[in-house]
Amino acid sequence: ETGVTQTPRHLVMGMTNKKSLKCEQHLGHNAMYWYKQSAKKPLELMFVYNFKEQTENNSVPSRFSPECPNSSHLFLHLHTLQPEDSALYLCASSQDPAGLNQPQHFGDGTRLSIL
Amino acid sequence: SQKIEQNSEALNIQEGKTATLTCNYTNYSPAYLQWYRQDPGRGPVFLLLIRENEKEKRKERLKVTFDTTLKQSLFHITASQPADSATYLCALVTGANNLFFGTGTRLTVIP
Repeated sequence: ETGVTQTPRHLVMGMTNKKSLKCEQHLGHNAMYWYKQSAKKPLELMFVYNFKEQTENNSVPSRFSPECPNSSHLFLHLHTLQPEDSALYLCASSQDPAGLNQPQHFGDGTRLSIL
Repeated sequence: SQKIEQNSEALNIQEGKTATLTCNYTNYSPAYLQWYRQDPGRGPVFLLLIRENEKEKRKERLKVTFDTTLKQSLFHITASQPADSATYLCALVTGANNLFFGTGTRLTVIP
C-alpha cells in the first residue's frame, strides 16, 4: 500500500488533447515532486513544490503545467504533448521542504502514451 | 560531463549468494547517496541513505558503502532470495540540493 496515490494509472491521449494527472499524498509531508521516467533513461526531476510553492522547474517545456493547491495534492496539466513525452510520470513526496536529501516516497505512476 | 553509471543493466545471481551492485559517478560532489528498489509497474521504494562522511550503512540483509575517493557506492544484498528480484536505483544528492538518479540495475535471483 502506498501513501502516495496517482490517478489515472494509464492514459492514452492525442497530441491535441488536454488532460491532467493527479497525485495525493496521505503522509503529512511538506514537499511534493513530479518525475519523468523513460525507458533506459534515468529518472528526471521535473518540478519541486515546498509548502505549495514551486521551488524548482528543471527546464521543463511549457506544455507541462504543474499545480499544487495544497500540501497534499499535486496536478500535472498536459497540453499539446509530443510522442517523445510518452513515459511513466511519477509523483513523490518528502517530509522536509529542503528535502532532496530526504527519502522520497513515490506513487506508482501514470503510464502516459501519446498517439 | 556528469555521469552516474550503475554497473550493468542486468545482473543474475543464484539464491543464497550475495548480490553486489555498483554505482559510479563522475563530476559530481554528492553530499548524500540513496538507494531505491523498483518493481515492474510500481514506483521506486526508498531503501537506504548514506552521507558523504559515512563509510557504511546496514539494514537487515542490506549493506551500502560510500567511497568518495573512488567515487563509488556499493550495494550488497546478502543471502539473496527470489523476492529480491527488482530494479535497484542509486541517486545522488549534491551539496546544492540537486538530485540525480542512475538508470538502475535489474537484479534477478535464480532459485
